[in-house]
Amino acid sequence: GAVVSQHPSRVICKSGTSVKIECRSLDFQATTMFWYRQFPKQSLMLMATSNEGSKATYEQGVEKDKFLINHASLTLSTLTVTSAHPEDSSFYICSASDRGYSNQPQHFGDGTRLSIL
Amino acid sequence: GENVEQHPSTLSVQEGDSAVIKCTYSDSASNYFPWYKQELGKRPQLIIDIRSNVGEKKDQRIAVTLNKTAKHFSLHITETQPEDSAVYFCAASKNSGYSTLTFGKGTMLLVSP
Repeated sequence: GAVVSQHPSRVICKSGTSVKIECRSLDFQATTMFWYRQFPKQSLMLMATSNEGSKATYEQGVEKDKFLINHASLTLSTLTVTSAHPEDSSFYICSASDRGYSNQPQHFGDGTRLSIL
Repeated sequence: GENVEQHPSTLSVQEGDSAVIKCTYSDSASNYFPWYKQELGKRPQLIIDIRSNVGEKKDQRIAVTLNKTAKHFSLHITETQPEDSAVYFCAASKNSGYSTLTFGKGTMLLVSP
C-alpha cells in the first residue's frame, strides 16, 4: 500500500531553534500534501495544504512566516517551524494524496513529536 | 467552512458489548466520511469510510451508517475487544484525496475485560 514517511519522529530542542520536518511519499507521487497539528487530548487541526510547485494555503490563524512549507517535488514536502517556542510543542502529522487516484483516502505519516524546552 | 461535531467524548463499555459513536456535519457539499482509530502517540489509521451515495457499509465488526438528509453518520463496533480501546475520530470532506479533512473532536473508547 501507499506509504508516507515522516522524519524525524521526535525532536527536543531549545526555545528559539528552527526545526524542519520532512514528509515523503515513498511509492507514489503526491501533488497535494496536508500538514496537521495535534495538541494533547485534542483533535487534528489542519494547518496548511501544500501544493507541489506553488505556495501553500494556510488555514486561518496559522502564521505562514512561522510555519514555512516547501513542496518542491512530487514526493517531498517540508514544514519548518521557525524560532520555535514552548507553545509550539505539539504532534505534527502530514498526509498525502496520490495524484493518480484522487478518490482514494489520504495517507498519513507517523507524525513528529516536537518538544520545545 | 465545514463543522463536524462528535459525541460522546468518552465511552466505556464491557468486552463483548457494542459501541456507537455519532457525528454530524454542516456542509451539504461534503461527500466523503472516514473514521480513524488513533492509539497514543501514533498516526490515525483509517478503519472504514463511506461516501454520500451509500447509506451503510460494513466490514466485519465495524459498520458505518450515513443519513444525508439529517447530515449525520455513525460508527458501530460490535463484540468489542480490549484492543479496540483507542481514540476514534470522524471526519468529513468534499473529496477523499485532494480535499481537506475536517475532523471531529474525538471519542476515547475504553473496553474493559
